[in-house]
Amino acid sequence: AQKVTQAQTEISVVEKEDVTLDCVYETRDTTYYLFWYKQPPSGELVFLIRRNSFDEQNEISGRYSWNFQKSTSSFNFTITASQVVDSAVYFCALRLNRDDKIIFGKGTRLHILP
Amino acid sequence: DVKVTQSSRYLVKRTGEKVFLECVQDMDHENMFWYRQDPGLGLRLIYFSYDVKMKEKGDIPEGYSVSREKKERFSLILESASTNQTSMYLCASSGYSSTDTQYFGPGTRLTVL
Repeated sequence: AQKVTQAQTEISVVEKEDVTLDCVYETRDTTYYLFWYKQPPSGELVFLIRRNSFDEQNEISGRYSWNFQKSTSSFNFTITASQVVDSAVYFCALRLNRDDKIIFGKGTRLHILP
Repeated sequence: DVKVTQSSRYLVKRTGEKVFLECVQDMDHENMFWYRQDPGLGLRLIYFSYDVKMKEKGDIPEGYSVSREKKERFSLILESASTNQTSMYLCASSGYSSTDTQYFGPGTRLTVL
């Protein structure tokens, strides 16, 4: 069975601190895709990144970076020098190559305190 | 630019009413999805459609039905709304390929009194 676990339900950090959101996934498939979405208070889920299972190269986009490690089935997300606008719920998700559906984790609510 | 729109941001209905939630996408996507989001439960898939007039049950289809008469439009129907259907409803769409990303609408917060 496929599963995505975001063990951190809620995190609070002070502005400018770095913060890492954890994501662990389970699947026996060899071809799959991993995603991160951001849900700000307005409610809309905003796509951040997609990674396929054959590409373990870490990615950096501005203050955001993602660390994909197949050996530990993890796809962690780090925000460097956090800002108040980063406050949101962040979802990690998994999509199998043979399936149309996405399996979401339960989300991590991130509070960035001024 | 990718665009998924939902007919209402906020909706208040009474128990027993028939409720229609509409979702429209302008990306010519084959797949469309309805989720509900509740605190502590994350996103749960209600129904999805991979083509016009085609639908498949998700994880929690009970109490809901869907309609997809046109490719761009996917409707979620609550035949007889109940208080336990008070929730945030999110629509999403994606292309047919497994590499395609799901793009989400702004959500409809439904309250059933």
